[in-house]
Amino acid sequence: EDQVTQSPEALRLQEGESSSLNCSYTVSGLRGLFWYRQDPGKGPEFLFTLYSAGEEKEKERLKATLTKKESFLHITAPKPEDSATYLCAVQASTGGFKTIFGAGTRLFVKA
Amino acid sequence: GAGVSQTPSNKVTEKGKYVELRCDPISGHTALYWYRQSLGQGPEFLIYFQGTGAADDSGLPNDRFFAVRPEGSVSTLKIQRTERGDSAVYLCASSPDSGYGYTFGSGTRLTVV
Repeated sequence: EDQVTQSPEALRLQEGESSSLNCSYTVSGLRGLFWYRQDPGKGPEFLFTLYSAGEEKEKERLKATLTKKESFLHITAPKPEDSATYLCAVQASTGGFKTIFGAGTRLFVKA
Repeated sequence: GAGVSQTPSNKVTEKGKYVELRCDPISGHTALYWYRQSLGQGPEFLIYFQGTGAADDSGLPNDRFFAVRPEGSVSTLKIQRTERGDSAVYLCASSPDSGYGYTFGSGTRLTVV
């Protein structure tokens, strides 16, 4: 069964304190791995798609990386406005086009 | 429109009643998805449309749930005989085609009392 596990469940950082969020996945052939950001009361906002091991994508203070079993979202020198829930999701190459989401990591960045 | 629009934003209904939730996707997006999200959880897949047809409805929990997209744009999620366990945020998303990242709406918060 396709599965996505994110850790930690919650992460508290001081402004400027870099860290990484983990996404472990089990899928019967990976079509794509996605990262989203979700603010309270809003729908998820698309950040990145990664397709193959070794691929990296960057956007401002965020960098996503992918291996055959997991993905990391690195946050460099975070700011309070980076506080949100970060969701990881996968599409299997054999599972049609539905996307399976993890439960997310809630990030709190304190000034 | 510029984004995915969902109406209503909030819906409170009594147990046993019928509800309809509407999604207006980004113009030109052929793929449309319905998810539901409970507090502290990630979105859970319900159904996926490619054009007018339901390409994958494997996530619909039972036959009380039904969704349509008759003209390949607006979609309606219909829930019959609502139960308290149906309470959640129902999210709609669209994408230019299958396999791309989604643009989500802000969701409809359904509360069954």
